[in-house]
Amino acid sequence: NAGVTQTPKFQVLKTGQSMTLQCAQDMNHEYMSWYRQDPGMGLRLIHYSVGAGITDQGEVPNGYNVSRSTTEDFPLRLLSAAPSQTSVYFCASTMGAGSTDTQYFGPGTRLTVL
Amino acid sequence: RKEVEQDPGPFNVPEGATVAFNCTYSNSASQSFFWYRQDCRKEPKLLMSVYSSGNEDGRFTAQLNRASQYISLLIRDSKLSDSATYLCVVNRYTGNQFYFGTGTSLTVIP
Repeated sequence: NAGVTQTPKFQVLKTGQSMTLQCAQDMNHEYMSWYRQDPGMGLRLIHYSVGAGITDQGEVPNGYNVSRSTTEDFPLRLLSAAPSQTSVYFCASTMGAGSTDTQYFGPGTRLTVL
Repeated sequence: RKEVEQDPGPFNVPEGATVAFNCTYSNSASQSFFWYRQDCRKEPKLLMSVYSSGNEDGRFTAQLNRASQYISLLIRDSKLSDSATYLCVVNRYTGNQFYFGTGTSLTVIP
């Protein structure tokens, strides 16, 4: 049971490049989400999904796309990277959409956009 | 106004001390409350949920005051291993979104 895995761990992009951050979980969790963490800002929700085929926007969705074709995978796509997207990105999963459930986080992807 | 606000600290306390963190939330519709711990450059991990009646887990005690919309975390007999950032998290059931505070930094000094 690997929990939540994220790849890559580190990435450097040039402005305008696109890329996909991968997130997978093997706990059969319905709810998955993507956050970015910046100094002094805390974790901010980018997109989330309450189940396969269902996604929704969080607090800071601009510049990012997601899809949820399977329960296990929830990739985050940066369409055209900008320096403002330099951040640490965490994927998380929860058993259900219930608000009492524990969130399990992946180890994070540290992204730098030059 | 931010959904969740925390004093960022830092709190520097000696081993064995008792330290308390507070957190306020802005939306009275918030239903669930948590404290997460985050070590440097690592992912957040659940420390404890916070229940209306207050709850304790070893040296850690969490309290919720719905009327004043604040949550607290008390750490007794601080250990060096308690050094971390403590994140306050709230959830409104409608919308399925968790809101994080910016975290409070704790360093326990030998």
